[in-house]
Parts: sequence; C-alpha cells; structure tokens
Amino acid sequence: QSALTQPASVSGSPGQSITISCTGVSSDINHYKYVSWYQHPPGKAPKLIIYEVSNRPSGVSSRFSGSKSGNTASLTISGLQADDEADYYCSSDTIHNSVVFGGGTRLTVL
Amino acid sequence: VQLVESGGGLVRPGGSLRLSCAASGFTFSGHSMNWVRQAPGKGLEWISHIRSSGSAIYYADSVKGRFTTSRDNVDNTLYLQMNNLRDEDTAVYYCARGYYGSLSFFLDYWGQGTLVSVSS
Repeated sequence: QSALTQPASVSGSPGQSITISCTGVSSDINHYKYVSWYQHPPGKAPKLIIYEVSNRPSGVSSRFSGSKSGNTASLTISGLQADDEADYYCSSDTIHNSVVFGGGTRLTVL
Repeated sequence: VQLVESGGGLVRPGGSLRLSCAASGFTFSGHSMNWVRQAPGKGLEWISHIRSSGSAIYYADSVKGRFTTSRDNVDNTLYLQMNNLRDEDTAVYYCARGYYGSLSFFLDYWGQGTLVSVSS
C-alpha cells in the first residue's frame, strides 16, 4: 500500500473539470512535501505534468493545475478532452533518495 | 530529450537480464537517472536512482541485492542488470531522467519502456 493515497478512478464529460486528490502529503520536510503529477496514457510513456505542487513544465497545457491544502495535494483538469483519458499518478521524493508514487487514478472521459 | 529502453524479453525464474536505456538530446553526464517499473494491472513503482557521476546508487527494497544499476557517461547509456529474477518482476521497465528542482527531485522525461516477462 502506497504512502500516497489516490482514488482509483474518476470520470467526467468533455468540457467539465475534474479533480484528483493525493492524500498523505505533509508539511514536514522529512515526509512527502512537494508533489509531482504524471500522466500515463495506456501503452505510452509517462509524462510529467506538474512539479513541486503547482508548477507546469514548458509545453504542458494550462488546463492542468496543481494545489495543496493540509495533507492533500490535488490535480485539477479543466475543459476535459478525450485525450486526457489516462492514468494519473502523484509522486514525491523522499529523504532516502527514492521516489514514492501514489496508487494511480484512472480518468475516464465519458 | 530521448530515452530508448531495450533488452526486455522472456526469462525463466532465477534467470538474468540486462536492460539498456540509450539517452540523447541532453547532457547525460549532468543528470541523475532512474528506473521505474509497472507490473501488469498495477501502478508505477520506483526501483532505482543513480547520481549523475554514478557515485551513489539507491534501490527499492524489492530489488536490493538482485538488481544493479550502472551508467556509461561516454556512451550516454543507463543499464539495469537484473539477477535472480522472480515472477513478480514481470513488468514494463521505464528509464526516467531525474531533475533537481529548487524544492524537490522529480522525473522530467521518460522512455517508452521495455517489457520483461518472468515465467517458466
């Protein structure tokens, strides 16, 4: 069981907004503080879409946004599109020079 | 940035396999590298991280003592030597570039993956 907990699935219709939560994030520097988010379409390479809670890499759509409140980080996708359908993972580095991933959330675009 | 994994295949339990990840489009020697895997029907699992110079290597407990990560900064290639393979090592193996941001470490580019199947 991952130290970062995500819902197994979420769904939404085209044009809607959805939010994926990631619980287990901490304000303690010794724990999971700065979350990244990855998009993993079936059969393709994972792609970094958010780093350090709310920063978007160059080239990532502004429809993707990240935030954090208390021990929960969130990924919001606005203006849902068909090609947003993928698995989404939150992740954090650790003080042990490792990386931990959440269990992943399957996004279905209805 | 391009990362291309190779070397996957079918191997019997207890066998060995070496994966390669050919890197291009960036200064390979300036970045740490990682291996991440995804077993069938499961999520992503980080398994190893090697510093840019190769001076330090870290492993997940699930592979420690069986897998060895190395790199060749002349040939721009990352390796994963997998020994004593088990059924539960069956997965798609991805290499990913590490990036040290101002606040944290994350994986900013990934390869397409190579499939390793362990079965008798």
